[in-house]
Amino acid sequence: ETGVTQTPRHLVMGMTNKKSLKCEQHLGHNAMYWYKQSAKKPLELMFVYSLEERVENNSVPSRFSPECPNSSHLFLHLHTLQPEDSALYLCASSQSFSPGANVLTFGAGSRLTVL
Amino acid sequence: QQQVKQSPQSLIVQKGGISIINCAYENTAFDYFPWYQQFPGKGPALLIAIRPDVSEKKEGRFTISFNKSAKQFSLHIMDSQPGDSATYFCAAVQGYKLSFGAGTTVTVRA
Repeated sequence: ETGVTQTPRHLVMGMTNKKSLKCEQHLGHNAMYWYKQSAKKPLELMFVYSLEERVENNSVPSRFSPECPNSSHLFLHLHTLQPEDSALYLCASSQSFSPGANVLTFGAGSRLTVL
Repeated sequence: QQQVKQSPQSLIVQKGGISIINCAYENTAFDYFPWYQQFPGKGPALLIAIRPDVSEKKEGRFTISFNKSAKQFSLHIMDSQPGDSATYFCAAVQGYKLSFGAGTTVTVRA
């Protein structure tokens, strides 16, 4: 496996379910991100982890709960979601926050549908 | 508040033509301006990027033009090919935060 791998690729869940999205990066990067992508809208930053410490929680509702057990793995735990949470959830990683050098490598995304 | 504004939302170009996508920003603290390309079913991938002390950068058929005083930058795709059909996102970077434009869907007709 190379790059950034996300599972599952597709997920359908009811509003009362609990599920998790998983992300794994094989690049030796130090930072990992969750983004939400909705049609015709800019990518929305949700969470950022640097060296397993959360450095950003961009006003995300508590029904989304991130977990970063080590620098290679990132999870997004989902519970009691709303239909408007249906979107593509993208995981990304980067090596550095240095000015002029923060390049993100994205996974293919997990397409979430909330019924 | 959207920090990076991108236009047009979509464009159609004939094979061999030029595609131009424009972006504008307000925050002068941004220090890096990448463009990402996304194909259906895939995540965005870095296409080309520029630092604010450079006015133009060219990689193959892709060129970024950067106007610091106007706080605008654009992507030019020369000799557009059907394989260039994708959604393109501009972004502006400050530290770990990337602010993305809303995307431009480019369709290249053969």
